[in-house]
Amino acid sequence: AQSVTQLDSQVPVFEEAPVELRCNYSSSVSVYLFWYVQYPNQGLQLLLKYLSGSTLVKGINGFEAEFNKSQTSFHLRKPSVHISDTAEYFCAVRNTGFQKLVFGTGTRLLVSP
Amino acid sequence: NAGVTQTPKFQVLKTGQSMTLQCAQDMNHNSMYWYRQDPGMGLRLIYYSASEGTTDKGEVPNGYNVSRLNKREFSLRLESAAPSQTSVYFCASSEVHGTVQETQYFGPGTRLLVL
Repeated sequence: AQSVTQLDSQVPVFEEAPVELRCNYSSSVSVYLFWYVQYPNQGLQLLLKYLSGSTLVKGINGFEAEFNKSQTSFHLRKPSVHISDTAEYFCAVRNTGFQKLVFGTGTRLLVSP
Repeated sequence: NAGVTQTPKFQVLKTGQSMTLQCAQDMNHNSMYWYRQDPGMGLRLIYYSASEGTTDKGEVPNGYNVSRLNKREFSLRLESAAPSQTSVYFCASSEVHGTVQETQYFGPGTRLLVL
């Protein structure tokens, strides 16, 4: 079975500072990886996804993530955050055989001025 | 395009009452999903429908039933609500379940409180 671990439940950061949200996964087979963002009182929106190819994936709103197979990680980064990035971020994994999407528990990003 | 829509937005039920959560998508997607979101637990799959006419259990199906009414609509029914079903429920859809290019698109959610 596959699983996703987001160790940080909450990450406070000042506006214009860089941020990294960590995601580690466990799977015995090849995987596809996703980051979703959830703004307050809204549904989830896809930020970016890794299916194959380049391990550095760029998404919307200036976010990017790097797939590291040896460390089974898919950390999300942004070089300079804005107040509007305050949201909850979910990492998700789906392996190529077992087709259900498995979500991590989420990381709440709090950006303050 | 409205994307994925859900009704109602909020609902309060008493223990033992029944209700149906409605979901519709206008993206001509084949696959639809129901999740619940609880604090500290992320999203957990309740049921999904890979294509019109099929439904399958997810991770937490107990206490729920689903109906894929047509290609657009996928409803979730609570026959006898329990306080443990207090949660935020999200519906999602994707083009074709299980394909490489599958991306799930989510509705705004239904907040359910069971007293």
